[in-house]
Parts: sequence; C-alpha cells; structure tokens
Amino acid sequence: AQSVAQPEDQVNVAEGNPLTVKCTYSVSGNPYLFWYVQYPNRGLQFLLKYITGDNLVKGSYGFEAEFNKSQTSFHLKKPSALVSDSALYFCAVRGPTSGTYKYIFGTGTRLKVLA
Amino acid sequence: DVKVTQSSRYLVKRTGEKVFLECVQDMDHENMFWYRQDPGLGLRLIYFSYDVKMKEKGDIPEGYSVSREKKERFSLILESASTNQTSMYLCASSSGAHTEAFFGQGTRLTVV
Repeated sequence: AQSVAQPEDQVNVAEGNPLTVKCTYSVSGNPYLFWYVQYPNRGLQFLLKYITGDNLVKGSYGFEAEFNKSQTSFHLKKPSALVSDSALYFCAVRGPTSGTYKYIFGTGTRLKVLA
Repeated sequence: DVKVTQSSRYLVKRTGEKVFLECVQDMDHENMFWYRQDPGLGLRLIYFSYDVKMKEKGDIPEGYSVSREKKERFSLILESASTNQTSMYLCASSSGAHTEAFFGQGTRLTVV
C-alpha cells in the first residue's frame, strides 16, 4: 500500500537560515512525489513535483526538493527562510493502485519562521 | 490558470440534514477528488472519480456519497450529517498521472 510519512509536526527556523521539511514514502513501482503548501483557511497550493530525471527539483517561491530513491525520501528545502514561508506543508505520493491513480498525503508539517 | 471552485467557504448544518458540497473545475480534467482535512490527520480521501459517472471509494467513504453527471462537476453528499463530519472539505482535480492536483479553496463545514 502507498503511504507518506512526515515525521515532524512542526519545524521552527530563524529567518534567513536554511530550512528542511522531511518526507519519506512507501510505494510499489516508480513514485510520483509532490509538495503542497497551505495558508490559513485556504486550499492547497502546488509547490513542486518529482516524476523522473534529475533528483533535485526546483519549484515555486525558491523551494526545492531532493529525491533519494535509496532512502525513499523527498525532503523539501529552501536556502534562506522568510517569515512569509510560515504555513502548513504537505507531501504527497501518487502511484497506480488497482489501475487508477490517487494522491496520498502525509499528515502535514507546520513551518514557523521566526523573525 | 486552472480554477477549482467550491460552492461555499463556510457551512453550518444541523444533525440529520442532507448536505450537498459542490465542486466545479474549468480545465476539462478527467480526475476529481474529495478530501477531508482534520488536524493531525492530514488529508484523507473520501471519494474520487476518473470519468463522468465513474467513482471509486477512497479511505473514508462511510456516510458520504458522490455524483459526477458532468465532467466539470463533482458533488459530495452527506446523506445524514453527523457532528463527526465537522471538518474542512477540499475538492481537487487533475489530468494525467504525472500531473499535480489543483485544489479548491475548501469548505469548512460545521454540523451542530
């Protein structure tokens, strides 16, 4: 069965410091991996995805993520955090299940960037 | 830009009422999804649809049904609302397997 784990409920980082939000996955076959961000009382906004190719994926708002097949991880990173990056972040995996496709989400990680 | 529109941002309903949540997308996407979001549980899939009149149960379908009569519209129905269905409901749509899902703004439903 497909699954996604986000081991940290909350990550605190000082403004200007690098940030990492962790994600590990379990899926049979090739994974399609996604990161989303959610601001208060809003829907989810797409940040980036890994389908195939280069293990380092660049996305919106200066975020990037590194796909590591041996560690089954897809950690979200940013070199220099901004206070406005404070939000809820979700990792998701999509893969074939019974011939159809659905997205499985992690439980989310709240990022707090401190001024 | 892709737009996924949910009919209400906030709803308050009484226990036992039949509740309809509507979702419309404007990008001719084949796939549509309904999730509920609860603190600490992330997003859980209720139902999804990969074609008109086609539907599949997600992880938590009990107490819900769906309807997809037209490609652009996917409705979630709470047959008899209960207080444990108080939640944020998110609709999403996508095209092929390699593509991201696009989400609506969410409907915060309170059942009293």
